[in-house]
Amino acid sequence: QVQLVESGGGVVQPGRSLRLSCAASGFTFSSYGMHWVRQAPGKGLEWVAVIWYDGSNKYYADSVKGRFTISRDNSKNTVYLQMNSLRAEDTAVYYCARAACGSYDSDCPIDYWGQGTLVTVSS
Amino acid sequence: SYELTQPPSMSVSPGQTASITCSGDKLEDKYACWYQQKSGQSPMLVIYQDSKRPSGIPERFSGSNSGNTATLTISGTQAMDEADYYCQAWDSSTVVFGTGTKVTVL
Repeated sequence: QVQLVESGGGVVQPGRSLRLSCAASGFTFSSYGMHWVRQAPGKGLEWVAVIWYDGSNKYYADSVKGRFTISRDNSKNTVYLQMNSLRAEDTAVYYCARAACGSYDSDCPIDYWGQGTLVTVSS
Repeated sequence: SYELTQPPSMSVSPGQTASITCSGDKLEDKYACWYQQKSGQSPMLVIYQDSKRPSGIPERFSGSNSGNTATLTISGTQAMDEADYYCQAWDSSTVVFGTGTKVTVL
């Protein structure tokens, strides 16, 4: 069955960096796009970034553009989120999630989600 | 940037119908999907392509999309349907989530 396991969360000071990882299993990882979605405590879902099946295209939310970088290693079945210049407002649970398609399609939902990893930005 | 607006909360009695709206400019020109998130859990897809149900999702969940509004309908609501619900659409290669609706069954 599809499994997505995030790691790398923790407490970090403002302005510092953190890298999240998401290990995927149970499906052909190199055929699917992957998302990162976050949820601040007590708040709604906020989309962060998507990377398509071969890593050729990446898109970001305006709130993280220029600070966060999504990448993937299809040989390791892993997607990453490099987060730089972290701010207090980046505090959230970060979910790794699978797109139900390999590349952009207007009807492509998110069909599987990980359990999330908590990132706390605080001095 | 594109926005999707949902009512913050609603309550429904067991066995009744809950209709959750999601409003966005010309939303009917996009595909809407819906996610359910129960307390302390990860979200789960319940409707995609406006009205299709993934395998394992009960028939009491249905969806529609017309004009500026997409609607998730839960017929014969059960206590287990108490959760937060989020709509979602694509806009210019980016994902947009709705503001979320907390559904209370009482």
